[in-house]
Amino acid sequence: GAVVSQHPSRVICKSGTSVKIECRSLDFQATTMFWYRQFPKQSLMLMATSNEGSKATYEQGVEKDKFLINHASLTLSTLTVTSAHPEDSSFYICSAKAGQGSYEQYFGPGTRLTVT
Amino acid sequence: QKEVEQDPGPLSVPEGAIVSLNCTYSNSAFQYFMWYRQYSRKGPELLMYTYSSGNKEDGRFTAQVDKSSKYISLFIRDSQPSDSATYLCAMSANGNQFYFGTGTSLTVIP
Repeated sequence: GAVVSQHPSRVICKSGTSVKIECRSLDFQATTMFWYRQFPKQSLMLMATSNEGSKATYEQGVEKDKFLINHASLTLSTLTVTSAHPEDSSFYICSAKAGQGSYEQYFGPGTRLTVT
Repeated sequence: QKEVEQDPGPLSVPEGAIVSLNCTYSNSAFQYFMWYRQYSRKGPELLMYTYSSGNKEDGRFTAQVDKSSKYISLFIRDSQPSDSATYLCAMSANGNQFYFGTGTSLTVIP
């Protein structure tokens, strides 16, 4: 199956700093990437959908100025958590979908963010 | 009413048992159906996907879709301890917006 990588896998940062998480599709071109957040023992919460070359579409309640998403190429999307606070600590997972006609999402391994 | 309902479990079965995991949904426009397996602290892994109604088999896994009842199932035959994970169903009407179940936690006891 298609491979999606995420970097870093784990990050600890201090409150007030910004953190960037990268999501890459390694063996296919992803016209659409999704960013999710997952709390322990809970399902995935969609944060935003990003299409290559255009602005991300954020879900209701997700602050676009806090969670900056860039999808600059067909294989890379980044999520930057700005001015992170302890309540932003979570498991962030990206997924990627190939072009039109494709409906399968392939997930990255996730990034565990801890804000101290 | 949630778009997708899934019993969170936990479900515990002995090794070798047949496991049945299910989801119900409310949107009759859904036509893409997927099952993901997620191990602890890992990203979900796509297991099976089907389009519209019918069955699909892949090794020990069988996915069933009953659109008339708005009900999908994943069967695991000869379950193994390595199948212990959380199983998430997902569905979409257009392949662009996806709706996930809350996941069912499965433990297969040796």
